Amino acid sequence: DADVTQTPRNRITKTGKRIMLECSQTKGHDRMYWYRQDPGLGLRLIYYSFDVKDINKGEISDGYSVSRQAQAKFSLSLESAIPNQTALYFCATSDWGSTDTQYFGPGTRLTVL
Amino acid sequence: RKEVEQDPGPFNVPEGATVAFNCTYSNSASQSFFWYRQDCRKEPKLLMSVYSSGNEDGRFTAQLNRASQYISLLIRDSKLSDSATYLCVVGPPGSSNTGKLIFGQGTTLQVKP
Repeated sequence: DADVTQTPRNRITKTGKRIMLECSQTKGHDRMYWYRQDPGLGLRLIYYSFDVKDINKGEISDGYSVSRQAQAKFSLSLESAIPNQTALYFCATSDWGSTDTQYFGPGTRLTVL
Repeated sequence: RKEVEQDPGPFNVPEGATVAFNCTYSNSASQSFFWYRQDCRKEPKLLMSVYSSGNEDGRFTAQLNRASQYISLLIRDSKLSDSATYLCVVGPPGSSNTGKLIFGQGTTLQVKP
């Protein structure tokens, strides 16, 4: 079984809809991250969390919110989706005190029409 | 200037060739460096960390030049299975250990028979 899972894997939605992307991990890591990837721009950090009570904005948090429901779960919400949020979204985890190695989920491909 | 810059390629090489990628980073205080590999439509996975003294893992050699602020990846005896996008990744400056990584946009490698 995969250590980091994401649901859904693919989603097509319409402008204005609320969308939640979910991430679960069995690695026992404290740190979790949400990224989006766009062609030619690389991965950009949306939000990150170092433990259940710690949430931090990343580089591009506008239009997104997150919830850390448990050590193993970190969800990303788009309150009112817009077309330029069409992207590939990745969740990642890392261990406290590690050499910053991050482990990624398989990604969610989101299309906003 | 982007914090981490890579030539997006694609680099098209025949099997058995040696190919090298470079990456430059802007923050001289950065302390950790990595190469990640990403296959098409898949999640990034750590290929190797990059140490000041340079390091080798089989056919892959990574080097760091702090004075010039660049990182390199050398692949010898290229295989078809090496075809992927290689992401240059830089960790946070100093000893902050925030876990926040900066990703380059990636360099695409296509190995041809």
